[in-house]
Amino acid sequence: DAGVIQSPRHEVTEMGQEVTLRCKPISGHNSLFWYRQTMMRGLELLIYFNNNVPIDDSGMPEDRFSAKMPNASFSTLKIQPSEPRDSAVYFCASRGGALMNTEAFFGQGTRLTVV
Amino acid sequence: AQKITQTQPGMFVQEKEAVTLDCTYDTSDPSYGLFWYKQPSSGEMIFLIYQGSYDQQNATEGRYSLNFQKARKSANLVISASQLGDSAMYFCAMREVTQGAQKLVFGQGTRLTINP
Repeated sequence: DAGVIQSPRHEVTEMGQEVTLRCKPISGHNSLFWYRQTMMRGLELLIYFNNNVPIDDSGMPEDRFSAKMPNASFSTLKIQPSEPRDSAVYFCASRGGALMNTEAFFGQGTRLTVV
Repeated sequence: AQKITQTQPGMFVQEKEAVTLDCTYDTSDPSYGLFWYKQPSSGEMIFLIYQGSYDQQNATEGRYSLNFQKARKSANLVISASQLGDSAMYFCAMREVTQGAQKLVFGQGTRLTINP
């Protein structure tokens, strides 16, 4: 299996532009998580889906952020409009099964820089 | 309220020594899981070890072991015979059930540096 695939790996954009981050979870996994990592705030859970349904989006910082999971093999995280403070590494992770001991597998992350 | 607390922002250890990374957690659920991940400078997140709330014994995986003290709500990671390649960020995470789905939240992390 190729693991969790995120694209792009790096994104540099100007303030005010729309940014879309993409994630392909591991086939067969039914939970998907989006995290944001910064030096100041560490790893923050933004939103997570179970069976393509958003379960908890309380970590989404503002209305500028939105996430979708149209099917089991694809998810997007969109920022519109982007701001410099959105600069961070964004991770997507997926896990499968109902057992508590199943770990989440992370993608390589997308490093976003908003200038 | 912070659910996962890692009180050591950074640690420096001599190679071959054992090291303990602290993690305390807060939950009212009787069923939960605790995970440790390693993040080297390359950035990927690597799963290390898992401890379930009902597990009777402390989890072990090679040089990694988990000192699980349920009453104190702590799940410290112990790395024996540290190696230079152990230098990385280490994150403690807790899985709890929310609305029938399992949510995974992380602590702030501890940056471990192994000195030769």
